[in-house]
Amino acid sequence: AQTVTQSQPEMSVQEAETVTLSCTYDTSESDYYLFWYKQPPSRQMILVIRQEAYKQQNATENRFSVNFQKAAKSFSLKISDSQLGDAAMYFCAYRSAEEYGNKLVFGAGTILRVKS
Amino acid sequence: DGGITQSPKYLFRKEGQNVTLSCEQNLNHDAMYWYRQDPGQGLRLIYYSQIVNDFQKGDIAEGYSVSREKKESFPLTVTSAQKNPTAFYLCASSVSKGAIRGEQFFGPGTRLTVL
Repeated sequence: AQTVTQSQPEMSVQEAETVTLSCTYDTSESDYYLFWYKQPPSRQMILVIRQEAYKQQNATENRFSVNFQKAAKSFSLKISDSQLGDAAMYFCAYRSAEEYGNKLVFGAGTILRVKS
Repeated sequence: DGGITQSPKYLFRKEGQNVTLSCEQNLNHDAMYWYRQDPGQGLRLIYYSQIVNDFQKGDIAEGYSVSREKKESFPLTVTSAQKNPTAFYLCASSVSKGAIRGEQFFGPGTRLTVL
C-alpha cells in the first residue's frame, strides 16, 4: 500500500517571503499522480497543484510550484511571495494511475502560518 | 453553479443512534468518495463509488454504510457500530477512473458530534 509522509507538522513564513513544504511518498508503482490540497479555516479543500509522474517538468501555478524528485519519491511545494490568505493546512496526496478507484492517499498535513 | 453540497453542516447524535450525512453533486461526475478527518491526521477513505449501484470499502469502512442509487447522490450512514464517530466528514467527486485530470472536488464537510 502507498503511504504519504509530511514531516513538518507546522511551518511559519513572513509575508512576501518564500516557504517550502515537504512531502515524501512510498510506492512501487511507476505511474501515478501527486497533488497538493489547501484547507483554510473554512475547512473547504481546494486543489493547489497537481503533478503527473510521467512528466519530468515540475508543475507551476502562479506563486505555487513543486519540486518533484521521482527517484527520491519527494514532492515538495514552494510558495513564493507568501500572502496572508495562504495560511491554511496543506495536504500532500497520492493517486495511483493503476489501481481501481481513483483513490487519494493523504499525508497528515502541514499547518502554514503567515506572519504580517 | 456546479458543485458539491453536504448537509447538514453540523450534526449532533446521541450514542446508539444511526445518522445519515447527505452528499449531492451536480458536476456530472461518475465517482464519489467519503473521507473522515480527525485532528492531527490526514483524510482517511471510508467508502467510494465509481458508478451507480456499486461501491467499495475504503480503509476505515467499519461502522459505516453507503448507497449509490443516483449518480448525483452518495449518502453516508454512521451506524451505532462506529465506536468513535465524532469527526469531520468530507464528500468528494471526480470523473471516472482513467481520466488523466481526474482530481477530486470536495464538498464543504459535515461536523458530526456524538453526545
